[in-house]
Formats: sequence, C-alpha cells, structure tokens
Amino acid sequence: SQQGEEDPQALSIQEGENATMNCSYKTSINNLQWYRQNSGRGLVHLILIRSNEREKHSGRLRVTLDTSKKSSSLLITASRAADTASYFCAPFSGGYNKLIFGAGTRLAVHP
Amino acid sequence: DGGITQSPKYLFRKEGQNVTLSCEQNLNHDAMYWYRQDPGQGLRLIYYSQIVNDFQKGDIAEGYSVSREKKESFPLTVTSAQKNPTAFYLCASQAGVYNEQFFGPGTRLTVL
Repeated sequence: SQQGEEDPQALSIQEGENATMNCSYKTSINNLQWYRQNSGRGLVHLILIRSNEREKHSGRLRVTLDTSKKSSSLLITASRAADTASYFCAPFSGGYNKLIFGAGTRLAVHP
Repeated sequence: DGGITQSPKYLFRKEGQNVTLSCEQNLNHDAMYWYRQDPGQGLRLIYYSQIVNDFQKGDIAEGYSVSREKKESFPLTVTSAQKNPTAFYLCASQAGVYNEQFFGPGTRLTVL
C-alpha cells in the first residue's frame, strides 16, 4: 500500500476563485480517489479516476491524472464558502493493497 | 436510506475501561474498515474485514479488537491496553477493493 502526499498542506482563497490541490504517489496504481472531510465529519468520496483515464469531471470538480509523473490534481472552480474542508487523495495499487490517506490539504474559502 | 451509521457520536471513557464503538451499514458491502484520526492528521487503519467472520490487523491494531459476525456490523472495542485512545474514529465500507469507500459520521472518543 502507498500513501498519497497532498500539496499544499493548507490553502486559503476568496469565494469565486479556483482552488488547485496536488497529490503525488510513488508506485503504479489501479486508481486514485479523492475525498473531502468537513470539520468533525466523516469523509465523502468525490471522484475515482482509473489509471487509464487522464481527466474526470464532476460538477465544479476536475481531476487530472498523470501516471508518468505519478501525480494527480483536484481543481475546484468558482469556489464557495461551503467548499471549506480538508481534501485527501488515496492512491490504490490494487489487489491486497489498502487505501492509505495522507494528511490532506486544508482548504479555507473566505466569503 | 442506504448508508453507514456510527454510534455514539461522542463517547467518554475513564482510564482502564473498555468501550465498544458501533458501526452498521445497509449497503450490502462486503468490506468494512476502522480508522483512527488525530487532530490535523490523516487516517490510520486499525482493522479491516473483507468478509464475514474474517478480519485483518491494520497499521495500528494494538489495543483494539473487532468482530465481524454479521455482514452489516463491524464493532470496534477500544481496550484498556490502548495507551492513548482519545481520537476521532471513522468506520467505512466498500463494495469491492477497487471501489470507493463510504464513511460513517465518526465517533469522538475522549478518555477522562
């Protein structure tokens, strides 16, 4: 199992701006998953992108995956105060490996 | 409503006591997981179960125990052997290892 490393650790932006978070990993993957956690709550799954996909969209979310660079990015467009949360990436290598969650990116969106 | 529930939301324990955290899911998922989260940190895997009557230790299993007698239920017991149990505990379920995980709302355990 491998852990994704999110960057930056913290991000502070104004409402309406875009937020970009990055994730790097070390070995080949089957898929990579992004989750959001609001303060004091459980994690919510956002997007799963498979290793043969390069880009995926869901509403205001856009995830890219570059397997040659072993990296992924999560873009939130036109951010809202409600997007304030921690965001985690979890690379999955398949088989008997487990999802490992890093420390996440803490996003603060100011009205 | 399909989902995963945890109870209680808040739990207080005196030192030396065992406590059991409940996790129930009605998603018909085979796999279930327990994670621990400390302030400002990521999640650490305590135990997981991929099928009824079977479970495996995660990275920080010492001081914890689990059972998986029913597909829907995966309770976690925090024993007195766990030296620093104050934390936020999250349960998750998964249809198959290649799919996303669904999380419960968490239980915040405080040792007094």
